[in-house]
This record gives sequence, structure tokens and C-alpha cells, in this order.
Amino acid sequence: EAGVAQSPRYKIIEKRQSVAFWCNPISGHATLYWYQQILGQGPKLLIQFQNNGVVDDSQLPKDRFSAERLKGVDSTLKIQPAKLEDSAVYLCASSSGLVFSYEQYFGPGTRLTVT
Amino acid sequence: AQTVTQSQPEMSVQEAETVTLSCTYDTSESDYYLFWYKQPPSRQMILVIRQEAYKQQNATENRFSVNFQKAAKSFSLKISDSQLGDAAMYFCIWGANTPLVFGKGTRLSVIA
Repeated sequence: EAGVAQSPRYKIIEKRQSVAFWCNPISGHATLYWYQQILGQGPKLLIQFQNNGVVDDSQLPKDRFSAERLKGVDSTLKIQPAKLEDSAVYLCASSSGLVFSYEQYFGPGTRLTVT
Repeated sequence: AQTVTQSQPEMSVQEAETVTLSCTYDTSESDYYLFWYKQPPSRQMILVIRQEAYKQQNATENRFSVNFQKAAKSFSLKISDSQLGDAAMYFCIWGANTPLVFGKGTRLSVIA
């Protein structure tokens, strides 16, 4: 089966600019996650969707970050305006299960550099 | 709040040898899961092994096994017969609900 797809793979922007990332999960996976992975750290969950509803967005900086999952399939994550500290790899993952214990399948990530 | 500590930022192992990666965690929960995921260079993160806290038997997956010590809150990963393809960043992860709690990772190098 096809894996989790993400685009773009790399993005360089200046601070205060906007950027959007796209994720297409594995077909049939109801749960979709966006993580932020800063260099030298483990991934941090930004938002979790169950179909097209938000399950957890407690760690999403809502003043600048937004995400949507229209029709319960692919998803976009947006940053507006970007700050230097947003430089990180943004990972998308999906799982078939409704609870955290199910295996998560990760995409290749988008490496964002904010200058 | 739950925490996961991986005290070895980097480790190396000779090909065909055995290596153990350490992980400790802190939680007051009694029912939870523990995971090891690997993240090869420039490749997707994938699940290596999973352990349910209520199970006393240590999980094994081919060359990968864990030593789960619930009372000590320890969850180490043993890789036997190491292969070049095992070179990656390994994350120890704790979960009882979302969000999962990740350690900072251990970078494993395999020497031919």
C-alpha cells in the first residue's frame, strides 16, 4: 500500500512569511497527526484529527498555526506568520485505529527553514 | 506530567554484535503502552516494537527485544546481530492517551 505522502519536502522562507504543508494519509486511515520535530528533540504533537474532527490541538500555537482536514482525507498545516523558532521538520502520521496504541505510519516530513 | 528519558544521545555497535538502548520514564498511570520507533536518515519513522504495561512478558520482534521493568520504570531495547540497516535515530515513547510522550532519541551507528 502507498505510504503517507507529504509535500513539499523542503521549504525555506523568511520570517513573517506564510507557509503551508500538505499531507495525504494512508487510504482508509481515520486518524491523522501533525508533529513538529525540532533538531535534537523528539517529535511533539501539534494536532490530531479523527476523520475531519479535531481530537487534540492543545499544543498547537493557535495564534499562528492552523490545520484542517477537509472531507476526512488529506490535511494541510499552515503557519502565518512564521518565526525563526518554527524551523523544524513537520511530520504527518496516520493510523487506522481510533486510539493512541495503534501503530502510526509516518510520512517523510517537510523540513522548514525560517531565515 | 509524564517524561521519557533516553540517557544515551549516541551509541555505536559493530556489525553482528548486540547493543542495548536505555530508556526510563516517569508516570503515575498504571495502564499504558511503550514503543520504540526508529528514524533512519532521510527516511520515515517506523515502529520497531510495542509493549503493553499490563503484560509481564517482554515483547520481541525478530532481532529486537525489550527488557520491560515496570517497577523500575525502565524499557530498554536490545538489538541482536546488528545490521547496517539498523543505523538510525531510536525514540522511546510512552503513551496512555494522546499526545504520546517522546524521548529525545538515541542515534545508533553500526560499524562494518
